Amino acid sequence: DVKVTQSSRYLVKRTGEKVFLECVQDMDHENMFWYRQDPGLGLRLIYFSYDVKMKEKGDIPEGYSVSREKKERFSLILESASTNQTSMYLCASSLAWHNSPLHFGNGTRLTVT
Amino acid sequence: DQQVKQNSPSLSVQEGRISILNCDYTNSMFDYFLWYKKYPAEGPTFLISISSIKDKNEDGRFTVFLNKSAKHLSLHIVPSQPGDSAVYFCAASGSNDYKLSFGAGTTVTVRA
Repeated sequence: DVKVTQSSRYLVKRTGEKVFLECVQDMDHENMFWYRQDPGLGLRLIYFSYDVKMKEKGDIPEGYSVSREKKERFSLILESASTNQTSMYLCASSLAWHNSPLHFGNGTRLTVT
Repeated sequence: DQQVKQNSPSLSVQEGRISILNCDYTNSMFDYFLWYKKYPAEGPTFLISISSIKDKNEDGRFTVFLNKSAKHLSLHIVPSQPGDSAVYFCAASGSNDYKLSFGAGTTVTVRA
């Protein structure tokens, strides 16, 4: 079974702090993704990566950056956290770039105060 | 602009009955469709998928129907069980797309 592990289940940060969300997958998947989930909005893509050091912006990249130095690890960075970034953050990976389901981690609930 | 829409935020169904969840999409380039199930405090788990060359896919109690002309798909759960109580997300992607576009989700409650 694919395992996608997010390092923190819950995080509380202050406005203006730099925040790192870490994600590791153990199935040698090429593609990794960061989504955020908000009530009534579903899951929205922030960034994705199809190879080491490669990244593409998703639908809502503003205020975020990512890092993929190793195939198994994909980090989401909030350069200066703001209250509107309070959300559930979900990391996912997939084997192929199309016709391949995403496998999600359990999420990180981030609260910015 | 959401390209995948789930217009029913919630659904309540009695145990043993059929649950029908609906999903509409606007992008005619979408050719791969999935349903995910999500329990509170967990990540979404993949449930079932269908490609545009089919109009039906079945896996145990779960069946997905695709109507390409109407840009509509539905998920049928028969019979519904208490463990099916969760949020269900519809998702879609196109052949030149890495990413999945998700609907807002439908919360299903199965009553005993």
